[in-house]
Amino acid sequence: DGGITQSPKYLFRKEGQNVTLSCEQNLNHDAMYWYRQDPGQGLRLIYYSQIVNDFQKGDIAEGYSVSREKKESFPLTVTSAQKNPTAFYLCASSISGRPSYEQYFGPGTRLTVT
Amino acid sequence: EDQVTQSPEALRLQEGESSSLNCSYTVSGLRGLFWYRQDPGKGPEFLFTLYSAGEEKEKERLKATLTKKESFLHITAPKPEDSATYLCAVHKTHPSSGTYKYIFGTGTRLKVLA
Repeated sequence: DGGITQSPKYLFRKEGQNVTLSCEQNLNHDAMYWYRQDPGQGLRLIYYSQIVNDFQKGDIAEGYSVSREKKESFPLTVTSAQKNPTAFYLCASSISGRPSYEQYFGPGTRLTVT
Repeated sequence: EDQVTQSPEALRLQEGESSSLNCSYTVSGLRGLFWYRQDPGKGPEFLFTLYSAGEEKEKERLKATLTKKESFLHITAPKPEDSATYLCAVHKTHPSSGTYKYIFGTGTRLKVLA
């Protein structure tokens, strides 16, 4: 079955450590996205990529980094510079970069930093 | 400022009690409006895309409609399994740069009681 996988489902880290969240899709979508979801707030865009080897900052990119070396993969690194990293992280993809196409989401990774 | 507002924040219905959820938006250059369903601890699941005022889409007990300023998600004779958070998102394109973004509302938490 086609879809988006994120791993792990739950992740615990100590403050000051970098952590990488995995996102893989087999939908053959060109565009991929990372969002952060906090209680009472809408999804906020961290980074997005329309094609391999290219990505753009979203609204809250500070303290995060990404890479897009393969079409299927778009890992997100939460660095120690991110001041409030505890959140639910969602990866999504869509057909090409055309904006009128809907996004498909993965199951999410809940990151807790103490 | 581009904004997406969903109301009510929370809604409790008896099984079979029809109602509507609202998504109002102030976005220039709207290219599409999307509805998603999100269960607790999971990623959003795509429901509908609407592109132009007057358009309607239906799926089982759900019907989405779009005007120039808002969208409604009508739920007819809901069942307990319809309980979830319903998210609305709009896409817009920057007129000069061509870059695009999805803007999400904070969602409506629906609880259907048996």
